[in-house]
Amino acid sequence: QKEVEQDPGPLSVPEGAIVSLNCTYSNSAFQYFMWYRQYSRKGPELLMYTYSSGNKEDGRFTAQVDKSSKYISLFIRDSQPSDSATYLCAMSVGAGGTSYGKLTFGQGTILTVHP
Amino acid sequence: NAGVTQTPKFQVLKTGQSMTLQCAQDMNHEYMSWYRQDPGMGLRLIHYSVGAGITDQGEVPNGYNVSRSTTEDFPLRLLSAAPSQTSVYFCASRRMGETQYFGPGTRLLVL
Repeated sequence: QKEVEQDPGPLSVPEGAIVSLNCTYSNSAFQYFMWYRQYSRKGPELLMYTYSSGNKEDGRFTAQVDKSSKYISLFIRDSQPSDSATYLCAMSVGAGGTSYGKLTFGQGTILTVHP
Repeated sequence: NAGVTQTPKFQVLKTGQSMTLQCAQDMNHEYMSWYRQDPGMGLRLIHYSVGAGITDQGEVPNGYNVSRSTTEDFPLRLLSAAPSQTSVYFCASRRMGETQYFGPGTRLLVL
């Protein structure tokens, strides 16, 4: 069993829809949770970062963490065609967000937002 | 700042050949890492370094070597390429207490 499981998708939604992306994890030692966005043929870029249970909002994006259920989500409101990308959840153990650079990633979800 | 740079962008190798993937960062980050990305597998950690002269293995280190002689550079060496090493390779760096910045990637095809 993988430590981090992510709904693989692909996901196709109309412009303006609310998108929900989800990951579950089995390692209770994970304390830091990230969402990366990756455009085609580009490197991942950090979208959201949180270390506590609850919600964190940044513009149209909301990251949700439920440590008791070992479940994290990313919500995108008013989705735009420019949101079309692969979204990767990532987690780490230890302080500073990435313990010695060791992130464990989900498989990624391909999202397409069509006009 | 150029951020994290990787060369080459694309490479084709024959089985058994060796090569070095280059990674450099100009942000004075202590930590650097190499990941590979395969379809349906996400990114998997190959090797990482917490500073010049210090490296350690990640999740999938077999067939790869690294060294860190300077803070700026973290090359990844394939000693004898195998088709299973066909992948996209990403280098990343970060400062202590911050999250990672990724390079643009190197696409490697091993025939």
